[in-house]
Amino acid sequence: QVQLQESGPGLVKPSEALSLTCTVSGDSMSKYYWNWIRQPPGKGLEGIGYIYHSGTTNYNPSLESRVTISVDTSKNQFSLKLTSVTAADTAVYYCARSGAAGGRFDYWGQGTLVTVSS
Amino acid sequence: AIRMTQSPSSLSATTGDRVTITCRASQGIGSYLAWYQQKPGRAPKLLIYGTSTLQSGVPSRFSGSGSGADFTLTISCLQSEDFATYYCQQYYSYPWTFGQGTKVEIK
Repeated sequence: QVQLQESGPGLVKPSEALSLTCTVSGDSMSKYYWNWIRQPPGKGLEGIGYIYHSGTTNYNPSLESRVTISVDTSKNQFSLKLTSVTAADTAVYYCARSGAAGGRFDYWGQGTLVTVSS
Repeated sequence: AIRMTQSPSSLSATTGDRVTITCRASQGIGSYLAWYQQKPGRAPKLLIYGTSTLQSGVPSRFSGSGSGADFTLTISCLQSEDFATYYCQQYYSYPWTFGQGTKVEIK
């Protein structure tokens, strides 16, 4: 059974960088795309970007200038860095898997709330 | 980016009801449409992909249809565990985008 688990600080100061890691267990990271998705409190879902096991990335243009996603297949982990955060970046951040056949998300982490506040 | 619009934004229903949620894309997306169910405090759960293919383990009372830009999620006989928020998502072109959600509440 594939499991994903987000980890990282729950509180980040404005203008600083948000960093999260997703640890994947139960399967190899090969052949899949690994995604970050966020959900502001009480609002809908927004895709942030994805990385393939080879390191190829694609980012949502609305966040592209501030986002970096990286992967460490030896640790079965991938990470998100979002710079210059503001209160608008306060959200539950999810990591999720999508298959080579398309961008549907079949496995999700439980999500982690990141609050941007001084 | 392709905009996904769901209707209604919320609905009230009773156990046993047939419920239909619609999703419209701002352009044609072929069959690259997925539906998710989300309960409070939980991650979304994939229900349907490819417009009409049920994800493994999802009850058959859920079904999806449509093509092009107009899609539908139907719950044939609403159960108590189905009260949740439902999202559509297109994966025809990046950035993959979601609808704003439809909350199914108890009448």
